[in-house]
Amino acid sequence: QVQLVQSGAEVKKPGASMKVSCKASGYTFTGYYIHWVRQAPGQGLEWMGWINPNTGATDSIQKFKDRLTVTRDTSISTAYMELSSLRSDDTAIYYCARLKPGTYHFDYWGQGTLITVSS
Amino acid sequence: EIVLTQSPATLALSPGERATLSCRASQSVGSYLAWYQQKPGQSPRLLIYEASNRATGIPARFSGSGSGTDFTLTISSLEPEDFGLYYCQQRSNWLFGPGTKVNI
Repeated sequence: QVQLVQSGAEVKKPGASMKVSCKASGYTFTGYYIHWVRQAPGQGLEWMGWINPNTGATDSIQKFKDRLTVTRDTSISTAYMELSSLRSDDTAIYYCARLKPGTYHFDYWGQGTLITVSS
Repeated sequence: EIVLTQSPATLALSPGERATLSCRASQSVGSYLAWYQQKPGQSPRLLIYEASNRATGIPARFSGSGSGTDFTLTISSLEPEDFGLYYCQQRSNWLFGPGTKVNI
């Protein structure tokens, strides 16, 4: 069965960087895009960016373009999302989600990773 | 940028009642609109894609309709497990609506 398993919760200090992993199983990793979505406490869903695991191509929303790096390691079917220069308002649950090329919906989601930014 | 608005913000209904959730786009998104359900402490779950197609395993009481700028998610007869937040999402810039909270 399709699974996206994310790395565990972390606490980071302001100004630090964080890196969340998303390990895929149950399907061909390079056949689906991985998107990243975050959710601040009590807030809605905020789309951040995506990676095409086949080509390595990425894109992200403008507000994150200078802080967000999305990568992948196809040998272990894992995508990574790294966010730098963390601020307190980056405290959120970060989700990875799968998208089939040619479609426009996320059919499977990871369990989420809570990142807390606090001094 | 295309913005989605959802109404109502909160919906309080009883089991067995019909729920009608609205999602409106600031510009046409064609039929490329999806609906997700999120329960407390859980990841979002895909309910409806391309406006009216039920995702795998989604009960038939969930249905979607609409195109262009106006979309509706209908839950024909609410079950207790249907409480939670419901988000719409469009393809243009992947943005989500602010959500509708369904209280049973």
